[in-house]
Amino acid sequence: SAVISQKPSRDICQRGTSLTIQCQVDSQVTMMFWYRQQPGQSLTLIATANQGSEATYESGFVIDKFPISRPNLTFSTLTVSNMSPEDSSIYLCSVVGWQGLNYGYTFGSGTRLTVV
Amino acid sequence: QKEVEQDPGPLSVPEGAIVSLNCTYSNSAFQYFMWYRQYSRKGPELLMYTYSSGNKEDGRFTAQVDKSSKYISLFIRDSQPSDSATYLCAMSGGGYNKLIFGAGTRLAVHP
Repeated sequence: SAVISQKPSRDICQRGTSLTIQCQVDSQVTMMFWYRQQPGQSLTLIATANQGSEATYESGFVIDKFPISRPNLTFSTLTVSNMSPEDSSIYLCSVVGWQGLNYGYTFGSGTRLTVV
Repeated sequence: QKEVEQDPGPLSVPEGAIVSLNCTYSNSAFQYFMWYRQYSRKGPELLMYTYSSGNKEDGRFTAQVDKSSKYISLFIRDSQPSDSATYLCAMSGGGYNKLIFGAGTRLAVHP
């Protein structure tokens, strides 16, 4: 199964600033997914990132707030822009594929963001 | 109504107990059903995957899917303190369809 590295693992940021989260996969993948997990909540899909095209955003998420880059088949970035305390969450990137006999999404360990 | 409903718990059981975790869903198009385990401060880890209806067993874990009732379950036999984590059900229509997660059930297994 794919191995995903995410950086940074955590950060504390001032409101109004931006943070870019990096996601590196050890194999080439067509699609990468960005999720948000707010405190005590489940995972919500932010957007799907294809290499060479614009990301597809879910309802409630917009490109100006969460711009995504996908320059190649192993790398993506998510930027959280003009941050407010409501953006404090864990952000996770994910890819889909087979993991042994199981089919599903593999997640990075996440970026724990606190906005003060 | 949420597409996927899962009781958030918390659920506290003694070591060795059989644990039953459940989710219900409303979208009949869901074909792929997964269970993830998430330890504190870690990303979710895929535990079990089932396609369509039926049972699947892997060691102490058994996943069941009843599509007629739109109900899925995860059973953990001989539970261990190391099983203490949040368990999330997830499902999709397949392929690159969006994965929909339940709220997660927090499980604590005490010695």
